[in-house]
Order: sequence, then structure tokens, then C-alpha cells
Amino acid sequence: GQSLEQPSEVTAVEGAIVQINCTYQTSGFYGLSWYQQHDGGAPTFLSYNALDGLEETGRFSSFLSRSDSYGYLLLQELQMKDSASYFCAVRVLNNDMRFGAGTRLTVKP
Amino acid sequence: EAGVTQFPSHSVIEKGQTVTLRCDPISGHDNLYWYRRVMGKEIKFLLHFVKESKQDESGMPNNRFLAERTGGTYSTLKVQPAELEDSGVYFCASSQAGRNTEAFFGQGTRLTVV
Repeated sequence: GQSLEQPSEVTAVEGAIVQINCTYQTSGFYGLSWYQQHDGGAPTFLSYNALDGLEETGRFSSFLSRSDSYGYLLLQELQMKDSASYFCAVRVLNNDMRFGAGTRLTVKP
Repeated sequence: EAGVTQFPSHSVIEKGQTVTLRCDPISGHDNLYWYRRVMGKEIKFLLHFVKESKQDESGMPNNRFLAERTGGTYSTLKVQPAELEDSGVYFCASSQAGRNTEAFFGQGTRLTVV
């Protein structure tokens, strides 16, 4: 089976930088994805890491260390609209996808 | 291009009744996933189709849940008979074939069993 661990809640202020960590245990690992979900909305794709290292997309960056079974999502220049739940998800054998419990990010003025 | 669509958006049924949820994936997407999220908890995997075949249904809670994907197009998820603990938001997602592909989610069906 698979298991993913991420903090349940994170709070930060506008303009700050926040890092959301994710550790996983799984077999047949392909890669790690990050999704954002606003209350009442659908999860939307943010990033995918298949190889070790940092991937940058605008204000958001994602990092993966396969040897440590660890990744993180880095959000810079936080805005109020970034308040949402953030999920890490492992892509595993046969293209299955499993999600963590999500981290609720609250951005304060 | 139309995204992933789910119907209905909301459903309130009584315990013991039957409900069928429908998902229309993005055209051409081989992978179709069903998930459930209960009251702010994890997005729990239910099952994964590749075209019309069930690739993995290990997340299906019990035999009250039946998923089909006729012809590899749209999918249905039937709950019969529904129980109180089946309440939650059921999400469908689809993606193209291949490992490094983004999954697109529908808006979900909020199921309430009373």
C-alpha cells in the first residue's frame, strides 16, 4: 500500500514564503504531484516531479528527493487567494495516483 | 475543450436507496479515477480505469459500490444500498496515457445520505 504524510495546517502572512512538506512510503513510485483545492472546488494540478531536484513554475516550486522519499511545495510571495488545501499525490505503478490528507494553508493579511 | 464533467452536482438520498453518479472524462483520456473526500479529510482513492478495464479497484469500500466504464468513455459509480457513511464528495479525474501526465478533476458530486 501507500502512505503519505503532510502537515494538516499551515498559516502564513501575505508576501511570505511557505514550504509544505510531504513524505511518502510506496512501492512502484513514478513521481510526486501537487494539487490545490479551494473550498467547494475541484483539485487542480500544480506540479509534477519525476526526477530529483527543484521544478519552478512562477511563484510555486516543487522539490523531490527520491532517496529520501520526500518532497515539498514552496509558495513564494503569498497572496490571499493562495488560501486553500494543498495535496501531495504519488503516481505509482500502472499510473495509479494516491493522495495525502492535504495541508490547509491560511494566508493572513 | 470540455473538462471533466460530473452529474449530479448534489444528491440527497435516504439510507437504503440507490444512487448513480456519472463522470464524463476529457475526450481521449484513457485513465479515469474515482475518489471520495469526506469532511475535509484525505482524497481517498476508490478505483482506476484504463479505458474500459478496471486497473485497480482496491479502494472500493465494499460490494455496495459498483463502477463501470462502458466503451471506455463515461463512467458510472453506483451505490446500492446507500449507508450514512457513504456521504461525502465524490470526485472523478481523468488523464492521458503515460506517466508524466496531469490529471484533471471534475467539480465533484456531493452525496448526502440521510
